[in-house]
Amino acid sequence: DAGVIQSPRHEVTEMGQEVTLRCKPISGHNSLFWYRQTMMRGLELLIYFNNNVPIDDSGMPEDRFSAKMPNASFSTLKIQPSEPRDSAVYFCASTSPPLYGYTFGSGTRLTVV
Amino acid sequence: TQLLEQSPQFLSIQEGENLTVYCNSSSVFSSLQWYRQEPGEGPVLLVTVVTGGEVKKLKRLTFQFGDARKDSSLHITAAQPGDTGLYLCAGVKSGNTPLVFGKGTRLSVIA
Repeated sequence: DAGVIQSPRHEVTEMGQEVTLRCKPISGHNSLFWYRQTMMRGLELLIYFNNNVPIDDSGMPEDRFSAKMPNASFSTLKIQPSEPRDSAVYFCASTSPPLYGYTFGSGTRLTVV
Repeated sequence: TQLLEQSPQFLSIQEGENLTVYCNSSSVFSSLQWYRQEPGEGPVLLVTVVTGGEVKKLKRLTFQFGDARKDSSLHITAAQPGDTGLYLCAGVKSGNTPLVFGKGTRLSVIA
């Protein structure tokens, strides 16, 4: 398995633009998580899905953020409009039973200028 | 307020030295995991501990889960430059709730 695949690896965009981050989880994993990592706040959970259904989006900072999982092999995180304070590394992770470790993608480094 | 507090935040040591990093909380966790993250990559799982008092060894790394399941430690013996990275602890409070991460300990091992 190629692991969790995220794209793009890097994204530089201007304030106000729409940004879409993509994630392909490991085949067979039924839970998918979106985290954001900054030096100040560490890894913060934004939203997670079980069997493609959003379970908890309380970590999504504002209505500007939205996430979808249309099928078991694809998820997106969208920011519209983007702001400089959204600059961070965004990680997608997937897993199966809860005691298994999470497998993380390599992340998307987002810079909003 | 951070649910899992890790200490120290930064640690720089010479190759061959021993070190211990800590992960503490006022909350009880049903399980706890340790991850290592290298620059430009996502965290990678090292170990999962589930029983209070449990000790697990992974080569030169020793992980311990506190008796009350509120804290954990990671001890590295004879550190090597390849151990350099960000060490993250993460806990599950109950059931199928997602992992909550500490901010990590950034370790640098100098040759």
